[in-house]
Amino acid sequence: GESVGLHLPTLSVQEGDNSIINCAYSNSASDYFIWYKQESGKGPQFIIDIRSNMDKRQGQRVTVLLNKTVKHLSLQIAATQPGDSAVYFCAEILHAGNNRKLIWGLGTSLAVNP
Amino acid sequence: ETGVTQTPRHLVMGMTNKKSLKCEQHLGHNAMYWYKQSAKKPLELMFVYNFKEQTENNSVPSRFSPECPNSSHLFLHLHTLQPEDSALYLCASSQDSGVSTDTQYFGPGTRLTVL
Repeated sequence: GESVGLHLPTLSVQEGDNSIINCAYSNSASDYFIWYKQESGKGPQFIIDIRSNMDKRQGQRVTVLLNKTVKHLSLQIAATQPGDSAVYFCAEILHAGNNRKLIWGLGTSLAVNP
Repeated sequence: ETGVTQTPRHLVMGMTNKKSLKCEQHLGHNAMYWYKQSAKKPLELMFVYNFKEQTENNSVPSRFSPECPNSSHLFLHLHTLQPEDSALYLCASSQDSGVSTDTQYFGPGTRLTVL
């Protein structure tokens, strides 16, 4: 299943399916992007990151894709498991002069059905 | 203890109370952060400390007062709060807030309810 993170905050998938969580970021000058996962009762946990000079990065069961042309970031989770149920946040790092600003997305809630 | 710990995990207070939230990181990091997380809103950065010095204060009301006695400990002192201050308060740490690819590690948060 797919979602647009900021416009459809809930994604429901069947266990074993692949999940795609989307994020539209705001600033073309952002040069670093991070995905976090937040399980119920816990703080956000780092999943994977990607620099703006890359368009794809793979981790264990997760892949992040970056399309700078349309300012779009996606997180793909392969063979989604019940333990993947959480809220997923994308964050962009924007540099303005000597300042570094971390801009958070609203989050997408992923529910995995057994 | 490992990672980032926060106490208490839950706190209920009246508007006239004074309380403090505590955060401790065991990662050897130099930067610490306070965030406010409310339902249906992006994470709101409140304060940043880097090497014990406050480097950011994002227009946070003075009823929230941070304290960073050393790089491992961070406090948020609360007084005369409002019901709209009810939220999950998250602490995070990172190696150095001035580094572009610096990753933040979060504690479990304190769920605050102001009556």
